Amino acid sequence: DSGVTQTPKHLITATGQRVTLRCSPRSGDLSVYWYQQSLDQGLQFLIQYYNGEERAKGNILERFSAQQFPDLHSELNLSSLELGDSALYFCASSVETSGRWDTQYFGPGTRLTVL
Amino acid sequence: DQQVKQNSPSLSVQEGRISILNCDYTNSMFDYFLWYKKYPAEGPTFLISISSIKDKNEDGRFTVFLNKSAKHLSLHIVPSQPGDSAVYFCAASPRVRYGGSQGNLIFGKGTKLSVKP
Repeated sequence: DSGVTQTPKHLITATGQRVTLRCSPRSGDLSVYWYQQSLDQGLQFLIQYYNGEERAKGNILERFSAQQFPDLHSELNLSSLELGDSALYFCASSVETSGRWDTQYFGPGTRLTVL
Repeated sequence: DQQVKQNSPSLSVQEGRISILNCDYTNSMFDYFLWYKKYPAEGPTFLISISSIKDKNEDGRFTVFLNKSAKHLSLHIVPSQPGDSAVYFCAASPRVRYGGSQGNLIFGKGTKLSVKP
């Protein structure tokens, strides 16, 4: 158990809909990262939040947005869903010390199926 | 364009023998390299890492080698055990030693390791 929790575990929805994925980081970790893993693809970095503020952005679509709340949990919002958005969405957290590498610990993921 | 490549989608090894998983990268700005292991229906689990200032890091049965001139790293598992059967992801991070964000880990597509008893 990495200490990172994600809900829900599975999500089935229809095209055009909007969903929210939730992530709680490990205790003490200030950074939250979101990754997407599509079929036959490696994990693609989407976005990072650090202590409530956006820190880095990757291949995140404009239909997707995220935020990190004062209690450090994070939500990833996916809107106007398309079939191609079906994927595993992982959240990871780390302490993130400036100038030093801190391991990212991953949650179990949310499997999103868009029908 | 893939910056981190794992060219072998799968690898099968006999229990007790050595498993060697390979990874190539293209970006010389990568500063830190990691291996994650992933079982079905679980998130990736951190295995071992190496900084670009080193060429070898060892942790029990796992050793990572980095060849910067060839932009190549490898993970050696000795001896291999059936419980090691999983998908192994190689990942790289850009420079953090100069205050940059480590957020954007770049992952390869993974190699599925099967260790047969």
